[in-house]
Amino acid sequence: AQRVTQPEKLLSVFKGAPVELKCNYSYSGSPELFWYVQYSRQRLQLLLRHISRESIKGFTADLNKGETSFHLKKPFAQEEDSAMYYCALRGYSTLTFGKGTMLLVSP
Amino acid sequence: DAGVIQSPRHEVTEMGQEVTLRCKPISGHNSLFWYRQTMMRGLELLIYFNNNVPIDDSGMPEDRFSAKMPNASFSTLKIQPSEPRDSAVYFCASSLGGGRSGELFFGEGSRLTVL
Repeated sequence: AQRVTQPEKLLSVFKGAPVELKCNYSYSGSPELFWYVQYSRQRLQLLLRHISRESIKGFTADLNKGETSFHLKKPFAQEEDSAMYYCALRGYSTLTFGKGTMLLVSP
Repeated sequence: DAGVIQSPRHEVTEMGQEVTLRCKPISGHNSLFWYRQTMMRGLELLIYFNNNVPIDDSGMPEDRFSAKMPNASFSTLKIQPSEPRDSAVYFCASSLGGGRSGELFFGEGSRLTVL
């Protein structure tokens, strides 16, 4: 079975502070991991995928197979980063999402 | 392209009534997914279609739920009879290639409230 765990329902930080949204997964094979984001009144959309090794809007995420983690990080949070973030795993077939973490960035 | 289009955006109904949610995927996409979002369970995959054929419906909660995709540009998710515990936001998403790229394009969702 494939499973994604996001331990934090809510993460509240001040503008300019570092952010780390945690994601752990369970999968017996070689997984593909993704982060999706849903801003207020917008659609859920892909933020980044681990195979691209890219930085999007200042966010990065590294796949750590030893720790089965794919944490999302940003060194300096901005107010516009406030949103719901979902970690997702593509294993056998379709995407399995975590329960999501709400990020609130205060001024 | 307007993206994935879902209707209705909001639905309030009474327990026992039939509910039909509709979805129009992005033109050219050959895979369509129905997800349910709740506070307790997050985003759960209900069913997905590839080339209009249901591939995996293991996430459909029970027989009260059914989904169809009569053609490449339209899908429905039906709940009959509806129950209060079905209250949730239902998302439709589409993609190319069965979602193997990992990128799904989501609709704005249909918020269902069953009283």
